[in-house]
Amino acid sequence: QVQLMQSGAEVKKPGASVKVSCKASGYTFRSYGINWVRQAPGQGLEWMGWISTYNNNTKSAAKFQGRLTMTTDTSTSTAYMDLGSLISDDTAVYYCARSRVTFLSSSFGGFDVWGQGTMVTVST
Amino acid sequence: DIQMTQSPSSLSASVGDRVTITCRASQGLSTYVAWYQQRPGKVPKLLIYSASTLQSGVPSRFSGSGSGTEFTLTISSLQPEDVATYYCQKYFDVPLTFGGGTKVEIK
Repeated sequence: QVQLMQSGAEVKKPGASVKVSCKASGYTFRSYGINWVRQAPGQGLEWMGWISTYNNNTKSAAKFQGRLTMTTDTSTSTAYMDLGSLISDDTAVYYCARSRVTFLSSSFGGFDVWGQGTMVTVST
Repeated sequence: DIQMTQSPSSLSASVGDRVTITCRASQGLSTYVAWYQQRPGKVPKLLIYSASTLQSGVPSRFSGSGSGTEFTLTISSLQPEDVATYYCQKYFDVPLTFGGGTKVEIK
């Protein structure tokens, strides 16, 4: 079945970087973009960025520009999210989510498949 | 950036009640709006896209409507399993902003 499987929980110190992986299965990886969404404890959903698995084009929210790097490895159908210069406010569950529409669409289509989430804790 | 404002932020209703959640956009979005359900401790789930199209497998008691700047999610008969937080999202262009969420509880 279509699924996204994320890497395990991470604990990082302030100033460090974290890299979360998201392995896709059950569909053609290069046809659908991958988004990254985070959720701080007790808070709402926050979109971070999107990467085209077709041509590696990326778009990200302004607040993450400069410290968010999104990449893909099409040979393993895996997307990666690297967030640098971590602070305590980055403590959150990080999700990858598939765009519902293919790369041929002019919109991002909403997110129809989600990973299970990766807890990232930033603490001294 | 376009802001997405949901109301109410929380509500309590009885089983069988009709529940309506509103999402207002600061600029017109045509129908490029999705709705998600997030049950406690679970992963978000897509309910509706294109403002009113039900995602496959979603119960028909859920419906969406609206265009432009005002959108609604309606649960026609609230069930115990509908206890969750619901989010709207704009998705035509970036940033793909979510609303602040509406927490639905059973009275």
